[in-house]
Amino acid sequence: NFLLTQPHSVSESPGKTVIISCTRNSGSIASNYVQWYQQRPGSVPTTVVYEDNQRPSGVPDRFSGSVDTSSNSASLTISGLRAEDEADYYCQSYDNNYQVFGGGTKLTVL
Amino acid sequence: EMQLVESGGGLVQPGRSLRLSCAASGFTFSSYWMHWVRQAPGKGLVWVSRINSDESSTSYADSVKGRFTVSRDNAKNTLYLQMSSLRAEDTAIYYCVRPSYSNSYFDFAYWGRGTLVTVSS
Repeated sequence: NFLLTQPHSVSESPGKTVIISCTRNSGSIASNYVQWYQQRPGSVPTTVVYEDNQRPSGVPDRFSGSVDTSSNSASLTISGLRAEDEADYYCQSYDNNYQVFGGGTKLTVL
Repeated sequence: EMQLVESGGGLVQPGRSLRLSCAASGFTFSSYWMHWVRQAPGKGLVWVSRINSDESSTSYADSVKGRFTVSRDNAKNTLYLQMSSLRAEDTAIYYCVRPSYSNSYFDFAYWGRGTLVTVSS
């Protein structure tokens, strides 16, 4: 079993860029796909990135995902921040027997 | 239109049992792995269990292993979660979730609205 660690919170101003990290504590981050989910208050999660760096249709290209094997982490980058991006963001990955979510990061758009 | 509708939540005493259901429609249910994910009030997402398309393989989070059982009835397009020996820490919204692709389990693409389970005396 492994853990995914995210910062508890990040904040940035509208129009700026924010990067949310997700670090895997054991096993390679590259061994299984990483997904990112956005959850606004009172709503169910929706996918913003899947398979490390793919965007579902309808997700703006302001959202991008990447994986860095040197730090064994994945990142979600949101550029051109908007007020509507304020939400909780969760990374997620898996192995043969388990699915794992990160603890979530609360994004505040100042 | 694809839909997942959970039911069966409610208030239950510690140590008792409860069965959740998830009615699926709008897709070929029998072709998809399915997951249960829970979220305690004000907390993060936690994976609970998954089951493959023909019910031959199941997996559980350590926190529920031996107490929860996932099952499905493909003829009724319904997913179940039998929960026993419930604890206060099982209090959460329980979501039924479908992956993006048939015969794949690695993501959580489609979510139901969830059903609230409250474990309290």
